[in-house]
Amino acid sequence: NAGVTQTPKFQVLKTGQSMTLQCAQDMNHNSMYWYRQDPGMGLRLIYYSASEGTTDKGEVPNGYNVSRLNKREFSLRLESAAPSQTSVYFCASSQEGTSYGYTFGSGTRLTVV
Amino acid sequence: KQEVTQIPAALSVPEGENLVLNCSFTDSAIYNLQWFRQDPGKGLTSLLLIQSSQREQTSGRLNASLDKSSGRSTLYIAASQPGDSATYLCAVRPLTYSGGGADGLTFGKGTHLIIQP
Repeated sequence: NAGVTQTPKFQVLKTGQSMTLQCAQDMNHNSMYWYRQDPGMGLRLIYYSASEGTTDKGEVPNGYNVSRLNKREFSLRLESAAPSQTSVYFCASSQEGTSYGYTFGSGTRLTVV
Repeated sequence: KQEVTQIPAALSVPEGENLVLNCSFTDSAIYNLQWFRQDPGKGLTSLLLIQSSQREQTSGRLNASLDKSSGRSTLYIAASQPGDSATYLCAVRPLTYSGGGADGLTFGKGTHLIIQP
């Protein structure tokens, strides 16, 4: 099925560990995004990429790095995980120049202990 | 900074009722507005997208309106069903996006809807 695929779906990390969240889309979209969702805070933008080779900070970029590997893939890396990064992470993509909106992945539930 | 507010935060109604969910935003410089549905433990499913030049969009029992000048949108659900139970999220995309500037949706915190059988 076409859409946005995120891996892993669940992850538990110890404080200080690193990990990379993977995201891939097969809709040929140019723009890709990473959001985090926290109770009471809603969804907040971490980073986005308007096209292959470009990335920009969103509202809450501290503690994260991203890589737009190619047009399909956009990864999010936590270099030294902290309990404050416990959250549900969503990847999304969109196609500019059309009436399409955003398509979201199913999310990664991350717990940092 | 754009702020999006959704009222009510929670709503519980009997099956069959028509209902309205409200969304307001502080900055009218938007490119579009999108309504999403989120089921517990799941991702977001797009319901309706309204471009800034449009007044409303319809899909089945759903109708979304947009009044950009007043910073308001409503999602109307007709003849509600238990399967409509979910959290409904409103999000706006900045106008700066269209000029190659800042992008990214600003979300409201959602309305948690329960339809009683």
